[in-house]
Amino acid sequence: DADVTQTPRNRITKTGKRIMLECSQTKGHDRMYWYRQDPGLGLRLIYYSFDVKDINKGEISDGYSVSRQAQAKFSLSLESAIPNQTALYFCATSLSGRETQYFGPGTRLLVL
Amino acid sequence: QQQVKQSPQSLIVQKGGISIINCAYENTAFDYFPWYQQFPGKGPALLIAIRPDVSEKKEGRFTISFNKSAKQFSLHIMDSQPGDSATYFCAASTSTGTYKYIFGTGTRLKVLA
Repeated sequence: DADVTQTPRNRITKTGKRIMLECSQTKGHDRMYWYRQDPGLGLRLIYYSFDVKDINKGEISDGYSVSRQAQAKFSLSLESAIPNQTALYFCATSLSGRETQYFGPGTRLLVL
Repeated sequence: QQQVKQSPQSLIVQKGGISIINCAYENTAFDYFPWYQQFPGKGPALLIAIRPDVSEKKEGRFTISFNKSAKQFSLHIMDSQPGDSATYFCAASTSTGTYKYIFGTGTRLKVLA
């Protein structure tokens, strides 16, 4: 079983709809991250959480919100999706004090 | 400056050749420089990483060269193989508690058989 899982893997939605992307991990890591990947722009940090009660904005948090339901679960919400949010979304985890981040398989989101 | 500039955007190399990808940064507080490898349909995975106290790190066919004074680092893939075809991202972070990455824009490598 994968250590970091993301659901759904693919999603098509319409402008204005609210959607949630979910991330779960079995690595026992305390830190979790949400990134989006766009061609030519690399990976950009949306939100990150160092523990259940600690949530921080990344460089592109506008239009997104997150929820850390448990140490193992971190959800990303788009309150009112717009076509500009069409991208590949990745969840990642790490252990405090360690540099390496472990990425999930990604969610491909298309906003029409 | 928080940017990490990566080049080239794409690279085609013959099997057995050397692939070289370059990155440059501005923030002198960065002290951890990983390279991530991403295959189609997969998430990025750590390939190799370096700290600025050494100028080179080698793991198998993969080598990071680091130039602290120029604020540049590069990934060299020796004896490139078709299985190395992937997108490569450099990144930089500080070790002062956060380990928050700033990623480069990625290089799509294709190794021809």
